Amino acid sequence: DQQVKQNSPSLSVQEGRISILNCDYTNSMFDYFLWYKKYPAEGPTFLISISSIKDKNEDGRFTVFLNKSAKHLSLHIVPSQPGDSAVYFCAASAGIRNTGKLIFGQGTTLQVKP
Amino acid sequence: NAGVTQTPKFRILKIGQSMTLQCAQDMNHNYMYWYRQDPGMGLKLIYYSVGAGITDKGEVPNGYNVSRSTTEDFPLRLELAAPSQTSVYFCASSYSTLTHKNEQFFGPGTRLTVL
Repeated sequence: DQQVKQNSPSLSVQEGRISILNCDYTNSMFDYFLWYKKYPAEGPTFLISISSIKDKNEDGRFTVFLNKSAKHLSLHIVPSQPGDSAVYFCAASAGIRNTGKLIFGQGTTLQVKP
Repeated sequence: NAGVTQTPKFRILKIGQSMTLQCAQDMNHNYMYWYRQDPGMGLKLIYYSVGAGITDKGEVPNGYNVSRSTTEDFPLRLELAAPSQTSVYFCASSYSTLTHKNEQFFGPGTRLTVL
């Protein structure tokens, strides 16, 4: 039972355009969401997060939007750069403040073409 | 700071062999985690620890054991390796989640093949 789903395995965009990566979840107890970026042969690195009390969080070129009613979040990258080419994982936490356990989606491979 | 370090980077095991994957962090984090990532899949939590001497099971603990005798180290033990344990293993650590940041810092991974 996949509680966090990234239904697009891959995405290709032109440099300078917007990249939109999507994530759906099923557990209404999730109250914190994170995006991680992963390059080949490296561990994931934290990118941006959002609490369920917000619907938007921005950090430079990266913006995460949360739609609680649809149980959907998305990561927008504007403008996209070739260095953004990586696998992006969505992750969620079920308010388990004492453990920090995360449930990850399957990942979306983003390719930004020069 | 070295952050989260993992050894070895690669390992090939025969069915039935045992091994320990090492993980260490120098950030004084209380929380540590072990994940596995299978091809085309997300990361699945194997075990986690909220402090020295305290460990608990994650989503996929079968076939693994952990210990946490110090804040810095969180080794993962595979007993009787099976081909289904072929995967990339990531160790991670984080601050206390009382601030609800939940940002986890990951090591570079150990690629394990069981033949």
